[in-house]
Amino acid sequence: DIQLTQSPSFLSASVGDRVTITCRASQGINSYLAWYQQKPGKAPNLLIYATSTLQSGVPSRFSGSGSGTEFTLTISSLQPEDFATYYCQHLNSYPITFGQGTRLEI
Amino acid sequence: EVQLVESGGGLVQPGGSLRLSCAASGFTFSLHHMDWVRQAPGKGLEWIGRVRNKANSYTTEYAASVRGRFTVSRDDSRNSLYLQMNSLKTEDTAVYYCARDLSGGYCFDIWGQGTMVTVSS
Repeated sequence: DIQLTQSPSFLSASVGDRVTITCRASQGINSYLAWYQQKPGKAPNLLIYATSTLQSGVPSRFSGSGSGTEFTLTISSLQPEDFATYYCQHLNSYPITFGQGTRLEI
Repeated sequence: EVQLVESGGGLVQPGGSLRLSCAASGFTFSLHHMDWVRQAPGKGLEWIGRVRNKANSYTTEYAASVRGRFTVSRDDSRNSLYLQMNSLKTEDTAVYYCARDLSGGYCFDIWGQGTMVTVSS
């Protein structure tokens, strides 16, 4: 199974900050990497897919990059509504797996 | 409006069975692979299974943790996805989400609101 390790697991930041979350895969996953945002009590929401494609309706302050085994999600200027938990996910092979999550707090 | 709505969650004893349903609307259900993902209380997301579309012969995939106990199925005539859960364990306690696979996108672009399953005596 492909393991995804996110870092950091917890991130404290302020409105207006630029933040980067890293997702490392235990083996190459091509570009089949997605990022989700989840707020308490809600379903996950797709932000980025295929490493860097912004999902329709997602603000442009979110961006994704990477290749092979290392991928990043960047939020260029944090807004109050961005404080949430973020997950990466690979769909390169089965089983599909998620990272453990990064909790972003004020 | 494109949406997925899960139902069927509840309290079940260890060793028992439960069937979850996911009703789809607002899109051509039959074209998409569909998945189930769960989240134990205070924990992260765990993919548990997939059923592919008719063009891919409705084939299925499962996580090792549920293989042999859970069955994912679909009824395209009813725009519905199902998760049959047998031999339930306390560690199956979680919110269960159905999700739509974005065709060609390798991601889950639409999620239901989730339904809670509690396995306890």
